[in-house]
Amino acid sequence: AQSVSQHNHHVILSEAASLELGCNYSYGGTVNLFWYVQYPGQHLQLLLKYFSGDPLVKGIKGFEAEFIKSKFSFNLRKPSVQWSDTAEYFCAVRAGTASKLTFGTGTRLQVTL
Amino acid sequence: DTEVTQTPKHLVMGMTNKKSLKCEQHMGHRAMYWYKQKAKKPPELMFVYSYEKLSINESVPSRFSPECPNSSLLNLHLHALQPEDSALYLCASSQVLPGAVEQYFGPGTRLTVT
Repeated sequence: AQSVSQHNHHVILSEAASLELGCNYSYGGTVNLFWYVQYPGQHLQLLLKYFSGDPLVKGIKGFEAEFIKSKFSFNLRKPSVQWSDTAEYFCAVRAGTASKLTFGTGTRLQVTL
Repeated sequence: DTEVTQTPKHLVMGMTNKKSLKCEQHMGHRAMYWYKQKAKKPPELMFVYSYEKLSINESVPSRFSPECPNSSLLNLHLHALQPEDSALYLCASSQVLPGAVEQYFGPGTRLTVT
């Protein structure tokens, strides 16, 4: 069964700092990869997705992620975080043609002023 | 319209009660999902419906009974729940696989079982 690991459980950054959140998955075949964000009290929103093609994908709000197949990784980046980026970030993987979306344990990002 | 709506937003029920959660989408999606999310944990898949038929049941206890009456609606019937079932219940929808699809999530119903 596939699994998704997010090693950073809680990250605290100052505004304007750069962000990188790690995501690793275990599945040897074709995968679809996602990053979702959950702002306090709000529903899960899709930040970005990778299905195929260019491994560097850009999402909303200045976020980007890079798929490195050899490392089974899909790390999320943002060059300069804002206070409003404070949220829980979930990496998710769908393996092959499966319907099931498997989420990582999440990373809580806290941005201080 | 890229919205998934869920009602109610909050629900408190006793262990002997019967209640239902409702989910609706008008994006023409033919796959719908129920997830359970405990505090500070990721969403966990419970059920998947594809073309109004149950396609995945992740070994969910029978006190949770899903229903998909039509392509826009998804219900989750609750009966004889336990306090540990208290959680945020999320509904999602997507186009049907195969193909590159993403899931759209609703705001959830926060359930408290007393």
